[in-house]
Amino acid sequence: IQLTQSPSSLSASVGDRVTITCRASEDISKYLAWYQQKPGKAPNLLIYTASTLQSGVPSRFSGSGSGTDFTLTISSLQPEDFASYYCQQLNTYPPTFGGGTKVEIK
Amino acid sequence: QVQLVESGGGVVQPGRSLRLSCVASGFTFSSYGMHWVRQAPGKGLEWAAVISYDGSKELYADSVKGRFTISRDNSKNTLYLQMNTLRAEDTAVYFCAKVYSIRRAVVAFDIWGQGTMVTVSS
Repeated sequence: IQLTQSPSSLSASVGDRVTITCRASEDISKYLAWYQQKPGKAPNLLIYTASTLQSGVPSRFSGSGSGTDFTLTISSLQPEDFASYYCQQLNTYPPTFGGGTKVEIK
Repeated sequence: QVQLVESGGGVVQPGRSLRLSCVASGFTFSSYGMHWVRQAPGKGLEWAAVISYDGSKELYADSVKGRFTISRDNSKNTLYLQMNTLRAEDTAVYFCAKVYSIRRAVVAFDIWGQGTMVTVSS
């Protein structure tokens, strides 16, 4: 299953609302996770089953979608949110990742 | 404290072998499936291999199948990745990751190691 993320990069300001999309090549039900990765660090789980917030993750992060179309939203971008974001499908092996979205400071 | 710590990376010539290790602590290692995920410099995440909680099942990405072997020693809380016939395109940071399951369905990788760098170069 292929996952297509868009955009591949974006520039935004602190306080902006940011939306990242992930489209699957076939139906993956709700089995989609989102990760944040900062340079030189391991990915950090943000959301699983498309919309469930991982414990400890700020509520400004939210996820939605099912089937083939999914969205990660950051309601008010904070300085610590500048990072790369990846979606991952776990409906079918192999558990593929999207190409990533780099969120940069405007 | 739940954590995974990888080791074993380094610089190796094409065609040679390397074994990575991932030591788990803070959770019952023998209860969870474990994965290896890699990331080439400046690139995205690529899943490489998975092993079941008891070591009875393994799956591999096509890019590493036949060259890499995933294994585990539950008595030592350690996951391994034996990498043979290494190629330049295997150059990457290698992460181990723990599965997070809900009612037997894997829904995410919730714990990741810090990664270990493997460079394949002559």
